[in-house]
Amino acid sequence: NAGVTQTPKFRVLKTGQSMTLLCAQDMNHEYMYWYRQDPGMGLRLIHYSVGEGTTAKGEVPDGYNVSRLKKQNFLLGLESAAPSQTSVYFCASSSGADTQYFGPGTRLTVL
Amino acid sequence: AQSVTQLDSHVSVSEGTPVLLRCNYSSSYSPSLFWYVQHPNKGLQLLLKYTSAATLVKGINGFEAEFKKSETSFHLTKPSAHMSDAAEYFCVVRNFGNEKLTFGTGTRLTIIP
Repeated sequence: NAGVTQTPKFRVLKTGQSMTLLCAQDMNHEYMYWYRQDPGMGLRLIHYSVGEGTTAKGEVPDGYNVSRLKKQNFLLGLESAAPSQTSVYFCASSSGADTQYFGPGTRLTVL
Repeated sequence: AQSVTQLDSHVSVSEGTPVLLRCNYSSSYSPSLFWYVQHPNKGLQLLLKYTSAATLVKGINGFEAEFKKSETSFHLTKPSAHMSDAAEYFCVVRNFGNEKLTFGTGTRLTIIP
């Protein structure tokens, strides 16, 4: 039972490049979330999904897009990366409005 | 609306002494409260959660927290610190029926040998 996994673990991008982060969960959870973590600011919600085919904006959605084509996967896309998007990104999943389980994180640097 | 304030950004204690990490919350409805721990370069792990049952909640690794509605607090304690407790701790709140969490800014716990 892998829980929540994230791919890749590390990535360096140049300004303007695009990339997709993949989150996968094997717990059959309906809800999935993407957060970013910046020093001194805790975790902030980017986008979330309450079921396959649905997505919603969180606290800091600008510059990001998401898709939930399969229940077990939640993709986070950056169309044109900016240095302000340098951060650690965490994915989480939950069964309804219950305890969230987090992945190990993706460390992204935008030069 | 919901928010959470962690009163100390950094706490240092000696090994074997008690740990107290302070958290105050604001919530419009009956809240659920959580403490998560993050070890260096790792993801977040759930320590414990309060969901309107017993006000004293016991978690993993000897940690516990007490929900005090009158003080809007949910402080995390441990009787005796261990070196392995060195990590960042996050207090988290969620309003009843709300799928979204609100995180505090974190408290970094350092254990002095």
